[in-house]
Amino acid sequence: AQSVTQLDSHVSVSEGTPVLLRCNYSSSYSPSLFWYVQHPNKGLQLLLKYTSAATLVKGINGFEAEFKKSETSFHLTKPSAHMSDAAEYFCVVPPNRDDKIIFGKGTRLHILP
Amino acid sequence: EAGVAQSPRYKIIEKRQSVAFWCNPISGHATLYWYQQILGQGPKLLIQFQNNGVVDDSQLPKDRFSAERLKGVDSTLKIQPAKLEDSAVYLCASSLGLPGPETQYFGPGTRLLVL
Repeated sequence: AQSVTQLDSHVSVSEGTPVLLRCNYSSSYSPSLFWYVQHPNKGLQLLLKYTSAATLVKGINGFEAEFKKSETSFHLTKPSAHMSDAAEYFCVVPPNRDDKIIFGKGTRLHILP
Repeated sequence: EAGVAQSPRYKIIEKRQSVAFWCNPISGHATLYWYQQILGQGPKLLIQFQNNGVVDDSQLPKDRFSAERLKGVDSTLKIQPAKLEDSAVYLCASSLGLPGPETQYFGPGTRLLVL
């Protein structure tokens, strides 16, 4: 079965500093992986997706993630945090290559002024 | 393109009362999902509709929760009677039904507080 583990429930960074949100996956095959973002009082939005093409995936708002099979990781990064990045972030793997989504507990990103 | 609409945005009720949430999906989206997101957790799928038929309701607490999508467009999720542990955000999502979870578009959610 496929699953993800988000290693941090909360991450705090200062504005203008790099962001790293960690995600490790478990899968019996090369999975598709996704990052979603949820801003307060707004709907979930797809940030980026990996589907076995390029291992470095660029998403919206300057975020990117790198698929590392050797480390079974798909960490989300951004070179310079902005106050508007404060939100909840979810790493997701579809369990059965279909349209179902199983969310982990998420990582709440706090941006310090 | 209009997004997924949900109402109300907030609801406060007492335990044992009933409550209903409404969702209007993106026009043309055949698949509709209801998720429950408890504070501090990721969303959990409650029920999935394909047009007006139920595809998956394995995680819906059927003793108190019900959902319908009678005309294959908008949908209603009901809780009767509500319990304290039902306090959560209820998210609706819709998609064209194509493979891949990235095709789901989410609404802003209804925040329910049960006192």
